[in-house]
Amino acid sequence: GAGVSQSPRYKVTKRGQDVTLRCDPISSHATLYWYQQALGQGPEFLTYFNYEAQPDKSGLPSDRFSAERPEGSISTLTIQRTEQRDSAMYRCASSFSTAQETQYFGPGTRLLVL
Amino acid sequence: EDQVTQSPEALRLQEGESSSLNCSYTVSGLRGLFWYRQDPGKGPEFLFTLYSAGEEKEKERLKATLTKKESFLHITAPKPEDSATYLCAVQAREGGSEKLVFGKGTKLTVNP
Repeated sequence: GAGVSQSPRYKVTKRGQDVTLRCDPISSHATLYWYQQALGQGPEFLTYFNYEAQPDKSGLPSDRFSAERPEGSISTLTIQRTEQRDSAMYRCASSFSTAQETQYFGPGTRLLVL
Repeated sequence: EDQVTQSPEALRLQEGESSSLNCSYTVSGLRGLFWYRQDPGKGPEFLFTLYSAGEEKEKERLKATLTKKESFLHITAPKPEDSATYLCAVQAREGGSEKLVFGKGTKLTVNP
């Protein structure tokens, strides 16, 4: 595609529910990243994929957070048993390869946990 | 631990009033330093990548420079459409991860 797309753009859920966020990277891009961005802050790294491999998931806040990219293209970020502190903007980015470091960001998913 | 500090947090300029934004960093071997622009409600938009001290890059009214400890984003004769939050990020050479470590950003407002 022309750019990174994410869905849904907004998600409101009740505490304790599971949510799944989706990221569709630029079609030629091998590497995909997930970030969490709080209001007034820069993005904070969660995890990344190189094709379907997940070399670094050190930024995931807890074991309630998981991500996958089974076919090396679209990725999902799942948060189980959501808590109010999970409310944030979740951003996806992609880059052509690990050697091409420039990351291109999607519009984000705004998650609100009530 | 890799760290990025941006200053000032907010900056108000009059149209045409040139200034600079600062990004100080500590990283275990710099692979790249990135500048992004972020408009409200949008994702960060890539501006520049700098790789080594002494490097400079320009785009329209923006010029980014890099030393071993900091980067500057110089804005020459800004216009109201330059108003945005400017984010700085570093990527470390060591550790093997491709992650970016971001600063909190500088919110720039340019008044007409």
